[in-house]
Amino acid sequence: DGGITQSPKYLFRKEGQNVTLSCEQNLNHDAMYWYRQDPGQGLRLIYYSQIVNDFQKGDIAEGYSVSREKKESFPLTVTSAQKNPTAFYLCASTIRQGARYGYTFGSGTRLTVV
Amino acid sequence: AQTVTQSQPEMSVQEAETVTLSCTYDTSESDYYLFWYKQPPSRQMILVIRQEAYKQQNATENRFSVNFQKAAKSFSLKISDSQLGDAAMYFCAYRSGAETSYDKVIFGPGTSLSVIP
Repeated sequence: DGGITQSPKYLFRKEGQNVTLSCEQNLNHDAMYWYRQDPGQGLRLIYYSQIVNDFQKGDIAEGYSVSREKKESFPLTVTSAQKNPTAFYLCASTIRQGARYGYTFGSGTRLTVV
Repeated sequence: AQTVTQSQPEMSVQEAETVTLSCTYDTSESDYYLFWYKQPPSRQMILVIRQEAYKQQNATENRFSVNFQKAAKSFSLKISDSQLGDAAMYFCAYRSGAETSYDKVIFGPGTSLSVIP
């Protein structure tokens, strides 16, 4: 079945460490997105990519980095520059210019700083 | 810039009853799409219903229906015959239909719905 796979489900990071969250899709979707979810704040866009080897900053990109070397993959790195990384992270994808379809979401990664 | 507002952080409904979740949005565009997403305790986001702005007819999906008031920029979700499995966070969302530089979805802050047995 087609879908989006996020891993790991839970991730713990020590202060000063970089960590990478994986997002893989087999839907042949062009566009991929990373959102951060905090209680009471809905979903906020971190980065997005519409084609391979191209990506743009969203509303809260500081302290994060991404790459898009393959159409299927859009990993997110949370760097030590991100001051408050504890949150739930959601990856999503859609057909490019497929506004009517909304997003397909992964099941998320819960990141906790210890 | 577009914004989405959900003024009810929490709501509750008796099982088998009907509940309406409110959503308003702000945009200067005429071509756009509106969505309701459900996020149960598993945290998997599920698309509940979609409305195209150019359609006057309100969308319906089984027990879920919307009241789309384009002039008022209002997009409420009605859940009929509420079931225990409807308990979740519900997000209202907006997406531009125009070919902009990026077509991200903008989410409201969410409404937490509890279903009372």
